[in-house]
Amino acid sequence: QVQLVESGGGVVQPGRSLRLSCAASGFTFSSYALHWVRQAPGKGLQWVTLISYDESNKFYADSVKGRFTISRDNSKNTLYLQMDSLRAEDTAVYYCARGGIGDDWAYFDYWGQGTLVTVSS
Amino acid sequence: DVVMTQSPPSLPVTLGQPASISCRSSQSLEYSDGNSYLNWFQQRPGQSPRRLIYKASNRDSGVPDRFSGSGSGTDFTLKISRVEAEDVGVYYCMQVTHWPPYTFGQGTKLEIK
Repeated sequence: QVQLVESGGGVVQPGRSLRLSCAASGFTFSSYALHWVRQAPGKGLQWVTLISYDESNKFYADSVKGRFTISRDNSKNTLYLQMDSLRAEDTAVYYCARGGIGDDWAYFDYWGQGTLVTVSS
Repeated sequence: DVVMTQSPPSLPVTLGQPASISCRSSQSLEYSDGNSYLNWFQQRPGQSPRRLIYKASNRDSGVPDRFSGSGSGTDFTLKISRVEAEDVGVYYCMQVTHWPPYTFGQGTKLEIK
């Protein structure tokens, strides 16, 4: 069965960095695009970033562009999110979600359990 | 960016009664292949989002048939034919036609009356 398990969340001071990981299993990881989606406490869902199956294409929400970097290691079936220059408004649960294959990168059919990032001094 | 507007924000429903959630997009979501790329998600309290419906009207495997999606272009609806206690949670629509960014509605909180 498809599983996505996020890790790496925690409390971090404004301006500092954090790296999240998402370990995948149960599907051919190297064939799928992947996303990060976040949810601030008590708020709705916000798409953050997308990476294609081979890392050749990456897209970001304007709110994180230039500060966050998505990457993946297909040999380890793991997705990453490097978050730099963190701000209080980045406080959220971060979910990884499976994208799609071929021309369709937006399945969002499987989600991890999420990892909480709290940016506070 | 495409703005997704859901209504109502809160939906109290009696067990066994139907429920309906509306989602409207600021641009048509119809793609060149004729499909409208609109997903519906359910988020139960304390859980991750779960996709219920894709391409506006296709129900995911394992989703009870009391859930149905309809609509095209800019107007979409999620219907629950008979609400059960396990349906409590927040429902989100999401457009995946015009990206980046992919955009979500603000959510509709379904509760039991």
